[in-house]
Amino acid sequence: SYVMTQPPSVSVAPGQTATITCGGINIGRKSVHWYQQKPGQAPVLVVYDDSDRPSGIPERFSGSNSGNTATLTISRVEAGDEAEYYCQVWDSDSDNVFGPGTRVTVL
Amino acid sequence: QVQLQESGPGLVKASQTLSLTCAVSGGSVNGGDHYWTWIRQPPGKGLEWIGYIYYSGGNIYYNPSLKSRVTISVDASKNQFSLKLTSVTAADTAVYYCARGLWSINTAYFQHWGQGTLVSVSS
Repeated sequence: SYVMTQPPSVSVAPGQTATITCGGINIGRKSVHWYQQKPGQAPVLVVYDDSDRPSGIPERFSGSNSGNTATLTISRVEAGDEAEYYCQVWDSDSDNVFGPGTRVTVL
Repeated sequence: QVQLQESGPGLVKASQTLSLTCAVSGGSVNGGDHYWTWIRQPPGKGLEWIGYIYYSGGNIYYNPSLKSRVTISVDASKNQFSLKLTSVTAADTAVYYCARGLWSINTAYFQHWGQGTLVSVSS
């Protein structure tokens, strides 16, 4: 089955940039989607197809994907961005797979 | 805007069958290129895709690790879809989410989610 890795946690000061990575073998050949989940709430799609944003998601959220690493970047971080972030891909053998998640803490 | 709402027992005994329903409003399970999806999250852990049904095309896909115990079905007359998971154990204790997925080029993603419902398995 396809396996992805994410750093367990990322800390960032308000106004700075948070970078969350999602690693996987040749993940650059797949489309990566990102979800934000705040405590006690359902996940929210923030980026799909590597770098597209659903309507209503701020431009501060952006994504990229190349080689063995996909990246979610949150610019000008706000306190409200504090959450768990999950990457997700579709794989021909595993179907849909989520990464283990990264906890973003705003200092 | 589509909305999804899970319902079902919050407590299931071990070895029995977990049954949940997802009511869909603001959209039809009978139209569009949507994948009606179940995803779960054990307490304090990450997300696990259970499976989805593409009702328009008559296709159903399950997580290989759960495939022998899972059934997903649609009741178009009630605009809802359902999950059945047999022979449950404590490891099946989780928040269960229903979601609407969309198929893109060689991928699927989940834009609309229900609020989730906690199902605990008792021994």
